Amino acid sequence: DTGVSQNPRHKITKRGQNVTFRCDPISEHNRLYWYRQTLGQGPEFLTYFQNEAQLEKSRLLSDRFSAERPKGSFSTLEIQRTEQGDSAMYLCASSLALMREQYFGPGTRLTVT
Amino acid sequence: AQTVTQSQPEMSVQEAETVTLSCTYDTSESDYYLFWYKQPPSRQMILVIRQEAYKQQNATENRFSVNFQKAAKSFSLKISDSQLGDAAMYFCAYRVNNAGNMLTFGGGTRLMVKP
Repeated sequence: DTGVSQNPRHKITKRGQNVTFRCDPISEHNRLYWYRQTLGQGPEFLTYFQNEAQLEKSRLLSDRFSAERPKGSFSTLEIQRTEQGDSAMYLCASSLALMREQYFGPGTRLTVT
Repeated sequence: AQTVTQSQPEMSVQEAETVTLSCTYDTSESDYYLFWYKQPPSRQMILVIRQEAYKQQNATENRFSVNFQKAAKSFSLKISDSQLGDAAMYFCAYRVNNAGNMLTFGGGTRLMVKP
């Protein structure tokens, strides 16, 4: 069990560019969550998957954001036409459906210049 | 909507002393869980302790314990015998026991430990 991994760890991009982040959950965890954490704040829920199905999306997830989990294993989060307000830490977490807690990855820090 | 409030942006404790971090939450649900997560600088978030709302007994994990007051919707974390490695951001989190299970976090408390 290597834990939840996220790549890249850091991403600097110019406003208007598209970026994609990847999350690899703990193997056999069927639930995968994306959160966003801005500086000095607690994480905020974005979306979650059970297996390959995206079951819930927060209103924070604008049309420029899209997430996928094509085979029920890793997930990607894409942000199109990035804005400076997208600068944040993007956290991924995973769990089994019956587990109480979620296990977090190290996050991807996005800086939009 | 559920909300979680941590009223102490920063706390400081002397090494080996005890410190209590506060958390209050607002919910109309009856079946839920509460958590304290620790986020060290530049490191990933890890679970410190959890409490099931249906349990009256306060959870304890080694030096970490909680004071869960369900009627008051209060969930404080007590750290005994503080160690330098306890320095981190601490987040209180809540989730309803339903299909979604997404976490709602408080704003965090930065804990500093003085040697």
